[in-house]
Amino acid sequence: GIQVEQSPPDLILQEGANSTLRCNFSDSVNNLQWFHQNPWGQLINLFYIPSGTKQNGRLSATTVATERYSLLYISSSQTTDSGVYFCAVAKTSYDKVIFGPGTSLSVIP
Amino acid sequence: EAQVTQNPRYLITVTGKKLTVTCSQNMNHEYMSWYRQDPGLGLRQIYYSMNVEVTDKGDVPEGYKVSRKEKRNFPLILESPSPNQTSLYFCASSREGLSPGELFFGEGSRLTVL
Repeated sequence: GIQVEQSPPDLILQEGANSTLRCNFSDSVNNLQWFHQNPWGQLINLFYIPSGTKQNGRLSATTVATERYSLLYISSSQTTDSGVYFCAVAKTSYDKVIFGPGTSLSVIP
Repeated sequence: EAQVTQNPRYLITVTGKKLTVTCSQNMNHEYMSWYRQDPGLGLRQIYYSMNVEVTDKGDVPEGYKVSRKEKRNFPLILESPSPNQTSLYFCASSREGLSPGELFFGEGSRLTVL
């Protein structure tokens, strides 16, 4: 089945810094999402982005489907950005969603 | 407000005592799914449903049952819970029936089986 890798596995940032999180996948996909799991365990939708670029405030994401990767950019990080960031993909309309292992982000004041 | 609602959010129970975790969505979504999240194992799919009366097994269905009698509800049933079912459970829904599409998650249900 499709393999999903995320890097880095862990990241510590000073408040105000920028960061880039990466998601690589082993096969073509028609579904890719980024989620943020906050310290209380809630999974929050960030982007549904099977291709192209989207922006939402300080966050933006780019998926290059032909090269099988997606990037999540966090600018001017805040302590509330702490948590685990997951990407999730599905190969076709009939396949289940596969989650990556996540990137654990800690933003310190 | 569009949302996926799970109940209970927290539950401590004992081995063998049947329990049901409810899941309801108000977005008229066709696709619904249950996941469990365990340290070091990530999120794994338990069961999913592409439409009313249509359910199928995910990666870890053993010990669980589901039903989809109505479009909005997708309860997860543990007939005889065991300690290895202690986990954080998430329900999710999606607009498309055939494709998972954009998934929306509930807030999670933390279950402890003693």
